[in-house]
Amino acid sequence: DAGVTQSPTHLIKTRGQQVTLRCSPKSGHDTVSWYQQALGQGPQFIFQYYEEEERQRGNFPDRFSGHQFPNYSSELNVNALLLGDSALYLCASSLDRSGTDTQYFGPGTRLTVL
Amino acid sequence: AQKITQTQPGMFVQEKEAVTLDCTYDTSDQSYGLFWYKQPSSGEMIFLIYQGSYDEQNATEGRYSLNFQKARKSANLVISASQLGDSAMYFCAMRESSNDYKLSFGAGTTVTVRA
Repeated sequence: DAGVTQSPTHLIKTRGQQVTLRCSPKSGHDTVSWYQQALGQGPQFIFQYYEEEERQRGNFPDRFSGHQFPNYSSELNVNALLLGDSALYLCASSLDRSGTDTQYFGPGTRLTVL
Repeated sequence: AQKITQTQPGMFVQEKEAVTLDCTYDTSDQSYGLFWYKQPSSGEMIFLIYQGSYDEQNATEGRYSLNFQKARKSANLVISASQLGDSAMYFCAMRESSNDYKLSFGAGTTVTVRA
């Protein structure tokens, strides 16, 4: 039973560039959420995708956008990168209306902006 | 206002002993879920245990148990018989109501297990 996978593992970009992070959900899951985790802090919710639409969004600027594909995989795009975007980006998948709606996380993508 | 408060930034525990990690939460919703996750240095967030607000019994999963005190709005995690592999960051998180899909996380507690 494959868990949540994310790619790439690490990424180094410069200010102003754009980046795309990818996530494949756990087998059987239909919902994908993205979180940003700065060093030494808890994860912060960016947005959640369900049925290929953004269902809920956290307090992040429009530079952060996403997409969910028919196979439930998802992408997170960040435009005009800032130094402050350096963080661990975590993808989590869940099954909608499964009771607990427990979110299972992937290994993360560590983004460094220089 | 902070939704989840974890007041212990770091804790040391002797191997084979039990450790309790504190978590208090703030919500006006009647229906909510509480989660604990473990994050080793590798970065992956590992789900440990879940407690629903309407669950009458405290949740247990192997060596993990959740001490749920609804009136005090606390959901402390107890790890019994600590192992060296338990050394990690532990996060308490909450999902409020059925229309709020996000998890709100605390700042985390670092646990170091000593041999």
